[in-house]
Order: sequence, then C-alpha cells, then structure tokens
Amino acid sequence: RKEVEQDPGPFNVPEGATVAFNCTYSNSASQSFFWYRQDCRKEPKLLMSVYSSGNEDGRFTAQLNRASQYISLLIRDSKLSDSATYLCVVNRRGNYGGSQGNLIFGKGTKLSVKP
Amino acid sequence: GAGVSQSPRYKVAKRGQDVALRCDPISGHVSLFWYQQALGQGPEFLTYFQNEAQLDKSGLPSDRFFAERPEGSVSTLKIQRTQQEDSAVYLCASSWVSEGQGVPPEKRRKETQYFGPGTRLLVL
Repeated sequence: RKEVEQDPGPFNVPEGATVAFNCTYSNSASQSFFWYRQDCRKEPKLLMSVYSSGNEDGRFTAQLNRASQYISLLIRDSKLSDSATYLCVVNRRGNYGGSQGNLIFGKGTKLSVKP
Repeated sequence: GAGVSQSPRYKVAKRGQDVALRCDPISGHVSLFWYQQALGQGPEFLTYFQNEAQLDKSGLPSDRFFAERPEGSVSTLKIQRTQQEDSAVYLCASSWVSEGQGVPPEKRRKETQYFGPGTRLLVL
C-alpha cells in the first residue's frame, strides 16, 4: 500500500464546476501536508499548504482531518487554466530536523476543465 | 530571481552507459533534494543534502546511484550502468531552511521546496 493514496481520476469537468480531490495518508507521524500542482511535462509547484484548521486561498479550499488521516482540496468555479495534475503531499520529517523534510507524493489526480 | 536549473533537460542513454545529471539550486538555499518521477507516478524521494552533507540517501534505488554536492551549491546525480528501469524524470528541489524542529509560521515560506524543470532520462 502506498503511503499517500489519491483518487485515481482523471476528472473531466465543465468550466464553472466545483471539483473535490481526496487523499489519505498512512503514516500517522506525518507532520505537514500540501497540495502541489503539476502541469504536463513541467515541474511540481506548491499550490497550498494544508493546516489543521483548514485554509482557503481564493477558489481553493484545503481541509485536513488528522484523526482520519484524510486531506482534501476543493476547487470552486473551475477555470480552463486549472487543468493540471494535483498531487497530495505529506512530509516525512527526517532525523536531520527541518519542518518540511523530504516529501512523499501521491500518484496525482489529473483534472481537465473543458469549455 | 533565477529558479532551480537542471541540465541536461533531456538525455538518451544506451543501456550500460553512465550518466551525470546536474542541479543548480536557488542561490543561498541550504537544502537540496533529488526525486525520481516515473511516467504516471508522483515524484519519489532519492536523497537529501544540507549544504555539502548528504544526510539522507535512503531513497536511492541501488548502489548504481550516487549523488554529491561538494561545495554546498551545485549537485550532481550520477547513475552508473544505466538500466531501462532508470528511465524517468529526475527532479531537483531546493529550499532555504536547514536545521530546526518546528519552524515558526513566519519562516514556513522558507521551507518550501522549489523544483527545477527536471531531466528526462530515457535508457534504450
């Protein structure tokens, strides 16, 4: 079993739709949580960190449930430019300290927003 | 400012050939990570440097993989006797933060890992 599991996707939605991505992680010692976005043949880029209280950034809302080891990302009013692969990421804090450590990525869920 | 750069961007190697992949992190970034991303998968951790010290190499898949960062800036990932299963995108990431448990909120942006464009390796 992978340490970070995501919806297999792909998701094909019309512009303006609301899309929800779900993710579970198996290591209860995970400390930090993130959503990254990766465009086709590009590098991953941090979309947002996920905090226990939940957080919002414009049309994007992230939630974390530590008890269930579950992370979600909601995109409202989706745009064509939101088309990408969304990667759920947790950290593994190594012995060397540091808050982020090396990142454990899910497989990613591809989103295609159509006109 | 300049981001993380990697070279070459594409590399085709014959099975058994040695390859060297270069990463130039963002200037001043202390931490440097290498990841391997196979087609259709998320990136997987290979190794981590803090300055010139390689503190974690638990993700290197075999002893054919070797990484170094001798002066604490540029890093090289070397793969000896390449195999077809080594075909992947090799991503380098750097971040500012170094030591310290519990980075305070005002410093958390500095822990963000910035990724380079990757080197796409194809082994024939």
